[in-house]
Amino acid sequence: EAQVTQNPRYLITVTGKKLTVTCSQNMNHEYMSWYRQDPGLGLRQIYYSMNVEVTDKGDVPEGYKVSRKEKRNFPLILESPSPNQTSLYFCASSFSLAGYEEQFFGPGTRLTVL
Amino acid sequence: GQNIDQPTEMTATEGAIVQINCTYQTSGFNGLFWYQQHAGEAPTFLSYNVLDGLEEKGRFSSFLSRSKGYSYLLLKELQMKDSASYLCAVRPRDSNYQLIWGAGTKLIIKP
Repeated sequence: EAQVTQNPRYLITVTGKKLTVTCSQNMNHEYMSWYRQDPGLGLRQIYYSMNVEVTDKGDVPEGYKVSRKEKRNFPLILESPSPNQTSLYFCASSFSLAGYEEQFFGPGTRLTVL
Repeated sequence: GQNIDQPTEMTATEGAIVQINCTYQTSGFNGLFWYQQHAGEAPTFLSYNVLDGLEEKGRFSSFLSRSKGYSYLLLKELQMKDSASYLCAVRPRDSNYQLIWGAGTKLIIKP
């Protein structure tokens, strides 16, 4: 089944404790992206990747890191989480960068930072 | 700045028709998407418009007017399962990598 998977789905942690949210897609997509979604706000892009070893900042990259060592995986790293990073996080991928390409989203990771 | 406006919430009756509007101001335009998002779930693709006019896909249709910076999503024969948030997103002309997202419209369907 073609899909984007994320782990963990739910995470409660404390300020300053490094964490990684994994994202994997099995569709051979070139483009991958991380978003956060907060009540009353649209999806905001954190980082994106156009291909292996090619990443760039989105609109809200502060406090996050990413890597793209393999085409299928695009982990999101929070080196020192803070309460303002409490949010719902989505990973997404698409086959190419063509304007009409839809994005496929993972199921989401609900993160709470105490 | 770049901005997308959608109503926060709408209510409609099962079996009826509802129109969800989206207006945008972006640095150029290279396509508009509608996504559906059920509570607690991931967004899923509904439609894409890049030229003016109406695109019909079953019970759902999407309209675009580039000169007015305006789109709407039309849902016909509403079903209870259509209760969800509907997200409008625009791809600016100068970027193939990013989308500008509206905050979404929560649609409540009543029997």
